[in-house]
Amino acid sequence: AQSVTQPDIHITVSEGASLELRCNYSYGATPYLFWYVQSPGQGLQLLLKYFSGDTLVQGIKGFEAEFKRSQSSFNLRKPSVHWSDAAEYFCAVINTGTASKLTFGTGTRLQVTL
Amino acid sequence: EPEVTQTPSHQVTQMGQEVILRCVPISNHLYFYWYRQILGQKVEFLVSFYNNEISEKSEIFDDQFSVERPDGSNFTLKIRSTKLEDSAMYFCASRGGQGNFNEQFFGPGTRLTVL
Repeated sequence: AQSVTQPDIHITVSEGASLELRCNYSYGATPYLFWYVQSPGQGLQLLLKYFSGDTLVQGIKGFEAEFKRSQSSFNLRKPSVHWSDAAEYFCAVINTGTASKLTFGTGTRLQVTL
Repeated sequence: EPEVTQTPSHQVTQMGQEVILRCVPISNHLYFYWYRQILGQKVEFLVSFYNNEISEKSEIFDDQFSVERPDGSNFTLKIRSTKLEDSAMYFCASRGGQGNFNEQFFGPGTRLTVL
């Protein structure tokens, strides 16, 4: 079964610094991968997704992610973090069955210091 | 911009009571989901629903759970006899047509507290 692992539970960065959140997937074929963000008390908002093609995908809010098959990774990056980026970030992989359920990682909580 | 809505935002109930969590998916969407997130844990899939029937359910979704689309707009999750361990945030999601590339849009969630 597909799964994703987010090895970092909590990351703290300074505002203006660059950010990279790690995600590793386990899936035999080409996975469908997603990054969602959850602000406190809010629902889940899609940042970006990868299905095929260009391995560097651009998302909303200045985020990007790179799919690396050789490393089974789909890391999320942002060149300059803003204080409003403080949130929980979830990597997810889709089950390619009919229902297309999402399987989420455990999440990484991002704290931004001023 | 169309969005998924959920009511109530917070539900407190006594153990053993029935609760119904309500969701209004985006109007032209065809696939509906419930997920839950126990505090401090990851988001877990509960059930998917398409064409008025369950497409897939997780092992969490036992006989105490049921889903319904009673009127073509609402999508409900019922827990017949709540347990303490049902306390969680419950998210509804919907997506449009076929194809895994279609994004699932999530509602803001209902926080269920079972006392």
